[in-house]
Amino acid sequence: EIVLTQSPATLSLSPGESATLSCRASQSISDLLGWYQQKPGQAPRLLIYDTSNRATGIPARFSGSGSETDFTLTISSLEPEDFAVYYCQQRRIWPITFGQGTRLEIK
Amino acid sequence: EVQLLESGGGLVQPGGSLRLSCAASGFTFSNYAMSWVRQAPGKGLEWVSFVTGSGDDTHYADSVKGRFTISRDNSKSALYLQMNSLRADDSAVYYCAKGRGANSIYDFWGQGVLVSVSS
Repeated sequence: EIVLTQSPATLSLSPGESATLSCRASQSISDLLGWYQQKPGQAPRLLIYDTSNRATGIPARFSGSGSETDFTLTISSLEPEDFAVYYCQQRRIWPITFGQGTRLEIK
Repeated sequence: EVQLLESGGGLVQPGGSLRLSCAASGFTFSNYAMSWVRQAPGKGLEWVSFVTGSGDDTHYADSVKGRFTISRDNSKSALYLQMNSLRADDSAVYYCAKGRGANSIYDFWGQGVLVSVSS
């Protein structure tokens, strides 16, 4: 099973700042990584698929990069609605696995 | 508009069974892979199971293999999860999720249904 390790566990930033979230895979997953945002009481929302492709309707301030084992989600100029929990997910090898999440909180 | 509506959750005793359903609309159901993903209270996301658009291939998390069965009825645009031999650690919100095409990245999610396993 591929283990995805997200860091940091919690990130405290202010609106207008940029956020950098990391996801590291225990073995190569090529570019088959996605990112989701989840707010309290809501279902997850797909942000990025296959490392760097924004899903439909996702603002350009969200961007993804990386390859093989190291991946990054960058949120430039944080908006108040961006404070949430973010998960990465790999689809390279069964079983599908998620990272444990990074909580992005308002400083 | 894509809609996924789960039902069938509730309180069940350990060792019991439940069948979850997901009614899909707003897209050609048979063209898309589907999955179940769960989330225990206060915890992260855990992938449970996957089925191809035609229903001819399935995959399961080790934690549910042999106890849960995923299926679909494309004539009804419905996805199912039969859960047997339920344990306390199966307690979670279960989400129905639509694959982006044939693959296992999920572009639409239902609102979730709560399953509680307790005596």
